[in-house]
Amino acid sequence: GQNIDQPTEMTATEGAIVQINCTYQTSGFNGLFWYQQHAGEAPTFLSYNVLDGLEEKGRFSSFLSRSKGYSYLLLKELQMKDSASYLCAVLDSNYQLIWGAGTKLIIKP
Amino acid sequence: GAVVSQHPSWVICKSGTSVKIECRSLDFQATTMFWYRQFPKQSLMLMATSNEGSKATYEQGVEKDKFLINHASLTLSTLTVTSAHPEDSSFYICSARRADRGASPLHFGNGTRLTVT
Repeated sequence: GQNIDQPTEMTATEGAIVQINCTYQTSGFNGLFWYQQHAGEAPTFLSYNVLDGLEEKGRFSSFLSRSKGYSYLLLKELQMKDSASYLCAVLDSNYQLIWGAGTKLIIKP
Repeated sequence: GAVVSQHPSWVICKSGTSVKIECRSLDFQATTMFWYRQFPKQSLMLMATSNEGSKATYEQGVEKDKFLINHASLTLSTLTVTSAHPEDSSFYICSARRADRGASPLHFGNGTRLTVT
């Protein structure tokens, strides 16, 4: 079956760095997405990785290793507004999006 | 960037009535749109895949006669919750992907919070 694993919850301090991991086992691979979802709101697109390596976009970076079925989202200089759930999703061989359950990130002052 | 508009943002209805939710892609064409439901503190659950010009594909356990989906054009899909009951109260979110890009990201509407009394 298809499976995506990410931690349920993480806590970090304002100004610090946090890494949210995601491992996946899917039928084929056409890319991995990270989304941010604030409570009561719809998800918003953060990043897309299809090749191995690190993609940097401001304070957020996303890394992919296809051979390991592994990705992480790195958030730097954490701000209180970064408190949200972060969703990892993989596009399988049929271009269907397989979702992880999300990681709730709590930022403390 | 790609914009998906969803309407209404919230709706309160009485048990037994029907509610229609619209999802529009404003600046791109979407041959496929997706409807999700999310209960509090739970992850997104895909309900159905809406295909322009053809019948929607429903996920297991989702009643197609209760959740009617129409995708009449490349920019509009609608979800109608028929004979709504309190257990249908949830956050419904639509999303769309650009028709010309197979691996493009999903863009989400802002969601519709449905409360059935």
